[in-house]
Amino acid sequence: DGGITQSPKYLFRKEGQNVTLSCEQNLNHDAMYWYRQDPGQGLRLIYYSQIVNDFQKGDIAEGYSVSREKKESFPLTVTSAQKNPTAFYLCASSTGNRGYTGELFFGEGSRLTVL
Amino acid sequence: GQNIDQPTEMTATEGAIVQINCTYQTSGFNGLFWYQQHAGEAPTFLSYNVLDGLEEKGRFSSFLSRSKGYSYLLLKELQMKDSASYLCAVRDRRTGANNLFFGTGTRLTVIP
Repeated sequence: DGGITQSPKYLFRKEGQNVTLSCEQNLNHDAMYWYRQDPGQGLRLIYYSQIVNDFQKGDIAEGYSVSREKKESFPLTVTSAQKNPTAFYLCASSTGNRGYTGELFFGEGSRLTVL
Repeated sequence: GQNIDQPTEMTATEGAIVQINCTYQTSGFNGLFWYQQHAGEAPTFLSYNVLDGLEEKGRFSSFLSRSKGYSYLLLKELQMKDSASYLCAVRDRRTGANNLFFGTGTRLTVIP
């Protein structure tokens, strides 16, 4: 079945360590996104990519980095520069094809806890 | 920027009808989405409105008024499994082809 797979589902990290969250999709979608979700706040956009080898900063990109070397993959690295990394991270994808509403399809999420 | 407001929490009774409101302010409006999110899970798409009016999908309906910057999600014949957060999201054409901006979500609790 087509979908988006995020891993790991739960991750614990010590302060000062970088960590990479994986996101893979087999929906043949061109666009991919990373959102962060905190209690009492809406989803906030970290980075997005509309095409392979290109990506753009979202509203809260500081302390994060991404790559888009393959259409199927959009990994997110949470660096030690991110001051408050404990959060629920959601990866999403969408198609830009005409006739579609362009809704986002989400992965199951990765919950990162910094100890 | 975008300013999206929705109530933080609502409670309703099983079998009843509930309406969740969402107001927004954006100059580049290009569609409004409603998502359902159960605790600890991914959001799932419920509905999409880009023109004024009502869109009905089974027990769920969504309404949009672009002139008022207003939408609501209507849930009929509530079931216990409808207890979840409901996210209102606006697509803004000024920020890219398909970027969505989300409200804080409304946590709905359905009681027996």
